[in-house]
Amino acid sequence: AQKITQTQPGMFVQEKEAVTLDCTYDTSDPSYGLFWYKQPSSGEMIFLIYQGSYDQQNATEGRYSLNFQKARKSANLVISASQLGDSAMYFCAMREGILQAGTALIFGKGTTLSVSS
Amino acid sequence: ETGVTQTPRHLVMGMTNKKSLKCEQHLGHNAMYWYKQSAKKPLELMFVYNFKEQTENNSVPSRFSPECPNSSHLFLHLHTLQPEDSALYLCASSRTGTTGVETQYFGPGTRLLVL
Repeated sequence: AQKITQTQPGMFVQEKEAVTLDCTYDTSDPSYGLFWYKQPSSGEMIFLIYQGSYDQQNATEGRYSLNFQKARKSANLVISASQLGDSAMYFCAMREGILQAGTALIFGKGTTLSVSS
Repeated sequence: ETGVTQTPRHLVMGMTNKKSLKCEQHLGHNAMYWYKQSAKKPLELMFVYNFKEQTENNSVPSRFSPECPNSSHLFLHLHTLQPEDSALYLCASSRTGTTGVETQYFGPGTRLLVL
């Protein structure tokens, strides 16, 4: 079974609008972290935002916020006021066993976001 | 963060060639990772090094051979590769030992084409 599911292969949004990218996860570990990365066409994976399983509040970083619904095992990324430069591939990732050092990230298949003017 | 560099950025090699990918991090991290990103597939972990010791080998074929001489440098030695090994190879690093947030920062990747 997939541990990270991103059901939207592609999303389209106009500049200045908000967009939500979906991510659901599957784990039985009580200690986990959820990450969102952005990958432009250049290839580099850029860290955007992090949410820990024990965090009480939803994470926010500038125009990025994470809608964390633990009971539903979802961690959707919300981008407010979209910009043309936001066009990229977006990956949701999870790290299980966050109290252990050096465990790997498990990635979803990604969502391609296209922002138009 | 732009503290993780990878060379070369692009590489074309024949199946009989031997080449090496290099990754260097300037972030003071102690863990380094190799990931493979093939078209239309999720990123796949290949290797993890923590304090220069290999802690994970994700069933990677022996034609890929990692080397981590110190916490700042990571190599991936390639030999007798197959066309299906063509992919984007991403290096990442993180600082372990903190509680919870152990963000991995990625390099720009090496696009490998095996002919």
